[in-house]
Parts: sequence; structure tokens; C-alpha cells
Amino acid sequence: DQQVKQNSPSLSVQEGRISILNCDYTNSMFDYFLWYKKYPAEGPTFLISISSIKDKNEDGRFTVFLNKSAKHLSLHIVPSQPGDSAVYFCAALSQGGSEKLVFGKGTKLTVNP
Amino acid sequence: KAGVTQTPRYLIKTRGQQVTLSCSPISGHRSVSWYQQTPGQGLQFLFEYFSETQRNKGNFPGRFSGRQFSNSRSEMNVSTLELGDSALYLCASSEVPGIGTEAFFGQGTRLTVV
Repeated sequence: DQQVKQNSPSLSVQEGRISILNCDYTNSMFDYFLWYKKYPAEGPTFLISISSIKDKNEDGRFTVFLNKSAKHLSLHIVPSQPGDSAVYFCAALSQGGSEKLVFGKGTKLTVNP
Repeated sequence: KAGVTQTPRYLIKTRGQQVTLSCSPISGHRSVSWYQQTPGQGLQFLFEYFSETQRNKGNFPGRFSGRQFSNSRSEMNVSTLELGDSALYLCASSEVPGIGTEAFFGQGTRLTVV
């Protein structure tokens, strides 16, 4: 059973526009959420995170929104740049539970010049 | 500071063989986690070690095992390889377990089973 779901395997946007990547989760015990970016032939790198006590966290061009009632989070990239083209993984963990990161299957973002 | 180092980077094995992958964490990091990445399943948690003890284990068969040494280096072993074990195996290290923001990933070992 997939506890963290990224239903869009791919997304294509124009440079300068907004990219919105979505993630849904089913486990109500998750209280910390992270986004990782992965380029081919490299390991994932941490991008941004959000605790369940917040509904928004912003870091430069990247903003993560959390809707706990809907068990949904999204990553907004504004403005999108060609260098943002990568696979984005949503991950969740329960800090009071097993504390292991549970990942979604990833969304491949392509930003076209 | 050197990053997480995984060796080898690429590996080709035959069905039925066994394989050992190695992960050297960032200096000072005592927690090491292993993940399997396949196109259909994304990143799936294998196990986590901290101070030479397995803290967590994912839903993988007993053919998958691991260990951690006193210097925090970790190895994972897969016995009786199957074609479906072909994947990218990623290792992540952190100072302590469970703090996702401080987990740094290696480049992975690409295992192909033929």
C-alpha cells in the first residue's frame, strides 16, 4: 500500500512559469514532509521540508504548502528554470514513530527553455 | 568534507549469485539508511543502521541483509539474486536517525541482474 503518492509521473512547463508538484499521503501519523530533487546518475538531494504544525514554508523560488485535512502537500517552483528539470520525490516521516522516510514514486519535471 | 561514498558504482551479476554493496557515510554520521530505487516503485526503504544496530527494516525478503561496522561504514548483501533485484541502491547518512533534512545521499550503486 503506497502511503505517499505522487500521481503525476511527469510534468512539463515553460521556463519562467510556475511548476506545481503534488503529493498525497494516507498515514495520519506523518508529521514531517520533505521534497528531494534527483538528477540522473546522482543521489537525491534535500530541497525543502515542512512540519505538520505549519501550512507553508518558503525558501527562495521554492514553496511547500501543506493541507493536513486533505492529507495533501504541494511544491511550487516560481519561476521555473531549465536547471530545475529533475525527478522530484515527496517524502514523509513520523517523528514519534518509526522515523523512517517513506518516499513517493517521484515526478519528472521538465522545464522547457 | 567528503560526501557519502558508495562502491561499486555499477555492477552486473547473474541470477542466483550474491552481491555486497558498500556505503561510507559522511565523517561523523552514525546513521546509515539503504533504499532501493526502481522505475515502477520509486524509492523504497530497505533498512537503517545506527551505532551498528539495525533500527528499522522495510518490507523486503530475508535475502536482503545489512550490517554496520564500528566506523559507521555499512554494507548490504543480497543473496540468490533475482532479475527483479535490478535497481539503483542508494545509501543515505545522517548524524542521528530520523532527521530527514540532514540525510545526505550517495550516488548509488546500479545493480543489473542478468
